[in-house]
Amino acid sequence: QVQLAESGGGVVQPGKSLRLSCEASGFIFRSYAMHWVRQAPGKGLEWVALISYDGSNTYYEDSVKGRFTISRDNSKKTLYLQMNSLRPADTAVYYCVRTSGREVPFDFWGQGTLVTVSS
Amino acid sequence: QSALTQPASVSGAPGQSITISCTGTTSDVGRYNLVSWYQHHPGKAPKIIIFEDNKRPSGVSNRFSGSKSGNTASLTISGLQAEDEADYYCYSYAGSSTFYVFGSGTKVTVL
Repeated sequence: QVQLAESGGGVVQPGKSLRLSCEASGFIFRSYAMHWVRQAPGKGLEWVALISYDGSNTYYEDSVKGRFTISRDNSKKTLYLQMNSLRPADTAVYYCVRTSGREVPFDFWGQGTLVTVSS
Repeated sequence: QSALTQPASVSGAPGQSITISCTGTTSDVGRYNLVSWYQHHPGKAPKIIIFEDNKRPSGVSNRFSGSKSGNTASLTISGLQAEDEADYYCYSYAGSSTFYVFGSGTKVTVL
């Protein structure tokens, strides 16, 4: 069965960096585009970034553009999110999400990893 | 693109039916048959329960159904059960040049 396991969250000071990882199993990882979606405490779901199946195309939500980088290693079946210049507003649970295209845009989600940006 | 509008909360007694609305515009909900719905129990992974307006993924209970009229999509939960208490989010495709915006979310409470 499809499994997505995020890791790398934690408490970090404003301005610092953190890298999240998402290990995939149960499907052909290299065939699917992948998203990161986050949920701040008490808030709704917010899309963060998308990477194409082969990593050649990436897209970002405006507030993270220039600070976050989504990448993938298909040989390791792993998705990454490099987060630099972190702000308190980036505090959230970050979910790794598979997409099967515009018809089924967010079809499998991981359990999430909590990132807390605080001094 | 603005977030799709959902009621903040909906409640119902066990066995009843409830409906959650998701209001968009002629650029998203009203233009494409690509509304999806997600169930999220806090602390767990969100789960897709409806795609392409009214299709259920394999394994999702037929108590969940989706529909649409104009710029408003709806999720109906029939035979409400305690396990249905969760947050529900809608999402609509809005064109290839538009990024991904979810609905504002609805908390369902089973009385």
